[in-house]
Amino acid sequence: DQQVKQNSPSLSVQEGRISILNCDYTNSMFDYFLWYKKYPAEGPTFLISISSIKDKNEDGRFTVFLNKSAKHLSLHIVPSQPGDSAVYFCAASGAGTASKLTFGTGTRLQVTL
Amino acid sequence: DSGVTQTPKHLITATGQRVTLRCSPRSGDLSVYWYQQSLDQGLQFLIQYYNGEERAKGNILERFSAQQFPDLHSELNLSSLELGDSALYFCASSPRGGNTEAFFGQGTRLTVV
Repeated sequence: DQQVKQNSPSLSVQEGRISILNCDYTNSMFDYFLWYKKYPAEGPTFLISISSIKDKNEDGRFTVFLNKSAKHLSLHIVPSQPGDSAVYFCAASGAGTASKLTFGTGTRLQVTL
Repeated sequence: DSGVTQTPKHLITATGQRVTLRCSPRSGDLSVYWYQQSLDQGLQFLIQYYNGEERAKGNILERFSAQQFPDLHSELNLSSLELGDSALYFCASSPRGGNTEAFFGQGTRLTVV
């Protein structure tokens, strides 16, 4: 049962344009959402997060939007840069000390020149 | 540098053997998670410890076990190894568990031959 889904396995965007990565979840108990970036053979790196009490969180070029009614979140990267090329994972967790991060399957972003 | 240290970085061993992967969390983090990533697939949650106690369990095989010690470092023990256990094993830590970002180590690449 895939509780966090990233339906696009890959995305190609031109440098300078906006990259939009999408994520859907099914578990209504999730109340904290995160995006991670991962390069090959490295550990995931935390990018940005959002609590369920918000619908937007911005950090520099990265903005995460949360639509709770649709159980959907998205990551916007503006402008996209070649160094952004990586695999992006969305993750979700609930409250409490026993709450693990549940990851999506990832979207491979390629930013072309 | 995430502050999470995993050793060893690489491990090659034969089928049927037993190995131990070690993780030192970020200073002050009480929660440790173990994830498995096979063949550039998603991150599969194995197990979580919080302040020395097991808190959540994922699809962890019975041949695998883990513990968190009083100094909060954690070990993942993999026994009776099979070829299919070859994967990247990541450890992550967070201050308290849910509703907070977790920071990942660089991973241990296990190759079973």
